[in-house]
Amino acid sequence: GAGVSQSPRYKVAKRGQDVALRCDPISGHVSLFWYQQALGQGPEFLTYFQNEAQLDKSGLPSDRFFAERPEGSVSTLKIQRTQQEDSAVYLCASSLVGRSSGNTIYFGEGSWLTVV
Amino acid sequence: AQSVTQLDSQVPVFEEAPVELRCNYSSSVSVYLFWYVQYPNQGLQLLLKYLSGSTLVKGINGFEAEFNKSQTSFHLRKPSVHISDTAEYFCAVSVYSSASKIIFGSGTRLSIRP
Repeated sequence: GAGVSQSPRYKVAKRGQDVALRCDPISGHVSLFWYQQALGQGPEFLTYFQNEAQLDKSGLPSDRFFAERPEGSVSTLKIQRTQQEDSAVYLCASSLVGRSSGNTIYFGEGSWLTVV
Repeated sequence: AQSVTQLDSQVPVFEEAPVELRCNYSSSVSVYLFWYVQYPNQGLQLLLKYLSGSTLVKGINGFEAEFNKSQTSFHLRKPSVHISDTAEYFCAVSVYSSASKIIFGSGTRLSIRP
């Protein structure tokens, strides 16, 4: 497709379960971002990749959160031992070029995670 | 560190009335400024951005925003709103030297009354 694609769109996980969220960025986009958006809040930065390199992971809330982009295209955000406070929409975004913060970033529709 | 404040969590307006959504930012260094819109159950879409040059920026769907450095503001305006403008609007900043982070405000929900 032409846009950023995320799957699954909706995920219900039992507390303690591991989840994996997938992001397919726009083809050829160098930069990839993950954001977490809690209900009624703005998106919060989690991590950033330039190609396969994870250049910034300062926003990951704990060591239960792990992201990878092994071939510089598709990315996976993994959350281990999910907790209720992990319930949020996880947004993936991509942009065409690397180190230029004025570039337009394109967002996917998000993966809605509910931990019960 | 940078931060973004959107003072109004909700703004109700009548259809065809003008609207202004307020945004203030805090930063010790120069920033780029953005407005994003989020329609229900959809991802964020860029409305407009300020990088440099003219302080009045025009975006999609008839929206515009004005960068005011002295007041550290970047308010979003539209002279006449439509029902289809009902959405959540997010102001955001990124730092010149940082390739990674866009920092978002908490959002303003714009609801249009017929």
